[in-house]
Amino acid sequence: KNQVEQSPQSLIILEGKNCTLQCNYTVSPFSNLRWYKQDTGRGPVSLTIMTFSENTKSNGRYTATLDADTKQSSLHITASQLSDSASYICVVIDNYGQNFVFGPGTRLSVLP
Amino acid sequence: DTEVTQTPKHLVMGMTNKKSLKCEQHMGHRAMYWYKQKAKKPPELMFVYSYEKLSINESVPSRFSPECPNSSLLNLHLHALQPEDSALYLCASSQALWGPDTQYFGPGTRLTVL
Repeated sequence: KNQVEQSPQSLIILEGKNCTLQCNYTVSPFSNLRWYKQDTGRGPVSLTIMTFSENTKSNGRYTATLDADTKQSSLHITASQLSDSASYICVVIDNYGQNFVFGPGTRLSVLP
Repeated sequence: DTEVTQTPKHLVMGMTNKKSLKCEQHMGHRAMYWYKQKAKKPPELMFVYSYEKLSINESVPSRFSPECPNSSLLNLHLHALQPEDSALYLCASSQALWGPDTQYFGPGTRLTVL
């Protein structure tokens, strides 16, 4: 069964600290993996999209990694800011583009 | 312009009402999506249109009826909804259904069914 798991479920960090969010998936065949940031009550915003051949992709203070062999991805946030408080959702799309498998998300809270 | 707009922002309706949600994009995208999101849960894919044809229907009840009148517009017609259908309904678009294209989401319509 195609699944995406994320950890931790929630995370609290102090402003300025770094953190790493994890995503494990069983989706096959694999097309691409996406990380989204969603503020409460708003639509998700795309952070990164990674295909099979990409190991690392950055978007400002966000860096995503992908290990297609172990089917794991991580999202690293550097020098966190209060505005980083949001839910971070990992989505994996299969090779046929018919299945969009969403992870449950990680709720990040950045405190001053 | 990388904006997806949705109207209305909020909607309250009774179980016997008929209403419609509207989504619009002017980025030339050929894939458009409807998602349903309950509180503290990730979005759930409902429908996908690719080149104005229904491509994916995730076994959504018939009380939800999508329509794609042209490449820029996506509607979701609602009829005889249940209170458990109360949720945030998100629209999104991307260049194409296949491949690693960025998906742009609208702000959503907050639906409450009484």
